[in-house]
Amino acid sequence: SQTIHQWPATLVQPVGSPLSLECTVEGTSNPNLYWYRQAAGRGLQLLFYSVGIGQISSEVPQNLSASRPQDRQFILSSKKLLLSDSGFYLCAWRAKEGRFYNSPLHFGNGTRLTVT
Amino acid sequence: GEDVEQSLFLSVREGDSSVINCTYTDSSSTYLYWYKQEPGAGLQLLTYIFSNMDMKQDQRLTVLLNKKDKHLSLRIADTQTGDSAIYFCAERRGSSGAGSYQLTFGKGTKLSVIP
Repeated sequence: SQTIHQWPATLVQPVGSPLSLECTVEGTSNPNLYWYRQAAGRGLQLLFYSVGIGQISSEVPQNLSASRPQDRQFILSSKKLLLSDSGFYLCAWRAKEGRFYNSPLHFGNGTRLTVT
Repeated sequence: GEDVEQSLFLSVREGDSSVINCTYTDSSSTYLYWYKQEPGAGLQLLTYIFSNMDMKQDQRLTVLLNKKDKHLSLRIADTQTGDSAIYFCAERRGSSGAGSYQLTFGKGTKLSVIP
């Protein structure tokens, strides 16, 4: 069966420090990978998605970047964190699909980032 | 508009039925989903419905889809305290090509179950 791992679970970082959040998926190959952010009192915001190694699509221009160095590894980074980067970051994966073939998103347990 | 809309809060008594409503925007959406998020955790897929269906039942969960009104609902029968969580509605948008389908989420409905 497939599993998704995200770490760390919680992180407190000062403003201006770098960030690296990691996500790995097991039990599947060539998944689509996603980073979402959930700010307090708001819904989910799609930040990045990737359909393959080295292929990153950014949905929202901002202080963050993403990379996919391996098929089942997705990394969210920042060179200098801002206060507004605080939030709950969720990694997700799903299998490739066609118009009438369903493949739901499967989420990791999230990383709670507090920028102080 | 562009948003998937949900009411933000719902409070029910233990043992009653809960109904969480959602309106979506894309009439060509093929799949609609319900996810559950417990405090401090990620989102867990509860159920989904294909757009050619009006209803789907899975144990205590019933999903109703009204395509004409673009309205989706989730009914939880015999609601328990363990059902307290945030429930997200999501629609699948996009067309063609692997990876180009995106899920658009509502802001979530926080369900509080009163013992």
